[in-house]
Amino acid sequence: AQSVTQPDIHITVSEGASLELRCNYSYGATPYLFWYVQSPGQGLQLLLKYFSGDTLVQGIKGFEAEFKRSQSSFNLRKPSVHWSDAAEYFCAVGDPYSNSGYALNFGKGTSLLVTP
Amino acid sequence: SQTIHQWPATLVQPVGSPLSLECTVEGTSNPNLYWYRQAAGRGLQLLFYSVGIGQISSEVPQNLSASRPQDRQFILSSKKLLLSDSGFYLCAWSLLTATDTQYFGPGTRLTVL
Repeated sequence: AQSVTQPDIHITVSEGASLELRCNYSYGATPYLFWYVQSPGQGLQLLLKYFSGDTLVQGIKGFEAEFKRSQSSFNLRKPSVHWSDAAEYFCAVGDPYSNSGYALNFGKGTSLLVTP
Repeated sequence: SQTIHQWPATLVQPVGSPLSLECTVEGTSNPNLYWYRQAAGRGLQLLFYSVGIGQISSEVPQNLSASRPQDRQFILSSKKLLLSDSGFYLCAWSLLTATDTQYFGPGTRLTVL
């Protein structure tokens, strides 16, 4: 079964600094990959997704992610963080060959704190 | 456009009481529907998913159950709540293809005392 790991539980960055959130997955083939963001007490919002093609994916709110097959990674980046980016970020993996209703496997999340 | 609703937004229930959480989707037909539970520091755990009316699959054995009485309605229930049922419950939907994104509702915060 596929799995997804977000090694960093908490990350603190200064406003205006660059950001990289790590995501590693374990799967025999190329899975579908997603990044979601969750503000406190809210549902999850999709930032971006990768299914195939160009390995650099652009998302909403200025985020991008790069799929690296050799490293089994799908790291999320933003060149300049805004205070409003403070939230919980989840990486998720989908198995395109699964017969379990296309359910996603989520990482445990990375909590981002942005300091002035 | 599609929207997903969950209610109630917040719920406090005593141990042993019943539970009913509701999720409805508007603007689409025959969606896949999902119930997740989010506990602090543990990410999202898939509880149930449904690919059609009356079709429910359970991912984790527990004292919760789910039902889909209508195409765009998904209900999470329990006959007797446990303390461990506390958490943030999220409903999500996706279209019937493996490539589709899941879209999440605003969630229900359940506290069992």
